[in-house]
Amino acid sequence: DIQMTQSPSSVSASVGDRVTITCRASQGISSWLAWYQQKPGKAPKLLIYAASSLQSGVPSRFSGSGSGTDFTLTISSLQPEDFATYYCQQANSFPMLTFGGGTKVEIK
Amino acid sequence: EVQLVESGGGLIQPGGSLRLSCAASGFTVSSNYMSWVRQAPGKGLEWVSVIYSGGSTYYADSVKGRFTISRDNSKNTLYLQMNSLRAEDTAVYYCARGQLWPNYWGQGTLVTVSS
Repeated sequence: DIQMTQSPSSVSASVGDRVTITCRASQGISSWLAWYQQKPGKAPKLLIYAASSLQSGVPSRFSGSGSGTDFTLTISSLQPEDFATYYCQQANSFPMLTFGGGTKVEIK
Repeated sequence: EVQLVESGGGLIQPGGSLRLSCAASGFTVSSNYMSWVRQAPGKGLEWVSVIYSGGSTYYADSVKGRFTISRDNSKNTLYLQMNSLRAEDTAVYYCARGQLWPNYWGQGTLVTVSS
């Protein structure tokens, strides 16, 4: 089974900061990776797919990069509505999908 | 507009059964890959099951043999039949549309397994 490890588990940041979240796969997954945003009591929202493709309607301050085992989600200028928990998800072993443990972005 | 509305959650004793429903609108369930994903209280996301547009089904090892995913095309509804429930099945259950990376999700329904 492919394991997905996110770091850090939480990060404190201020509005306007650049925030970077990392996701590492236990084996190579090419570009079969997505990023989701989840706010408390809400369903996850797809932000990035295929490692670096921006989902329609998602602000351009979100970007993804990486391939193989190491991936990054970057928020270029943190906005108040971006405080949430972010998850990576691998699709290399589709139909078995695996999510990372999550990274909570908190207000500093 | 695409909408997914889950129902059927509740409090159930260990060993019991429950059937979750996910009513879809704005698209045809039978033409899409549909999944169930769950989230234990305060925890991360866990994929549970998927049904392909062609009807093939797959399950996470943690629920294989106990859960069954199905759909009713006439009702445009997805189901998850959950048997032999355990405390560790306690979670919010989401239905979601999409193949590799689900991009439409319902609001979730809470299942609590406790005596």
